[in-house]
Amino acid sequence: EPEVTQTPSHQVTQMGQEVILRCVPISNHLYFYWYRQILGQKVEFLVSFYNNEISEKSEIFDDQFSVERPDGSNFTLKIRSTKLEDSAMYFCASRGGQGNFNEQFFGPGTRLTVL
Amino acid sequence: AQSVTQPDIHITVSEGASLELRCNYSYGATPYLFWYVQSPGQGLQLLLKYFSGDTLVQGIKGFEAEFKRSQSSFNLRKPSVHWSDAAEYFCAVINTGTASKLTFGTGTRLQVTL
Repeated sequence: EPEVTQTPSHQVTQMGQEVILRCVPISNHLYFYWYRQILGQKVEFLVSFYNNEISEKSEIFDDQFSVERPDGSNFTLKIRSTKLEDSAMYFCASRGGQGNFNEQFFGPGTRLTVL
Repeated sequence: AQSVTQPDIHITVSEGASLELRCNYSYGATPYLFWYVQSPGQGLQLLLKYFSGDTLVQGIKGFEAEFKRSQSSFNLRKPSVHWSDAAEYFCAVINTGTASKLTFGTGTRLQVTL
C-alpha cells in the first residue's frame, strides 16, 4: 500500500541552525501539505503546495519557513534559523486529485527538537 | 472560519465497553468532517469521513460517526472498545478553499483499562 514517508524521524538542532525536513509523498498525488503539532497541542496547518507553488500558508509559516519540491518526488520543509518554539512534530501529507473528498494521507512525522 | 471542538481531553473506558467521543463543529454550510487516530509515536490515520448523504458513516476498525446538523456534532462511536484502541483521536474539518487544509480539534486521549 502506498504511503507517505518522512526523514529523519527525529532531528535535534541548535537554536539558529537551519533544518530541512524531508517527505516523499505518494507518487501520483498532486497536493502536498505540512502540519505541525507542538507537544500536547493540536495539529496545526502550516502550508499547502500545488503545481510547484504555495497554495495557502498559515500565519505560522513566516519568512523563516520555505517549501520545495526539488526533484518531483521529494517535498521539503526548510526552517532557516530555528527557534526554541519550533520544537514540534512535523507531519507531511499528500492527496490525489481535485475535490475535498480526497483523503489526505499523513506521514509518520519528524520530531524536531531545538536546543 | 471553520473550527471543531472536542470537549473531552481525556477519556478512560474499560475494554469491551462502548465509546463515544464528542466533536462539535462551527461552519455555516455543510462541512466536510473527519476523524483521525494517532497512536503513540505514529502519524495520523483516517478513521472515517463525512461529506454528504447518509448521516451515519462507517469507518475502519469498527468505528462509526453520526453527523447531526441540528446539534452541529459529529460524534465518534464504537460499540465495544479493544485495548488496542488506546490512542489520541482528532476530529477535523476541511477548509473548502482550493487548498483544502484540515483544521483539527484539540484531540481526545483514550485510555482503555483491562
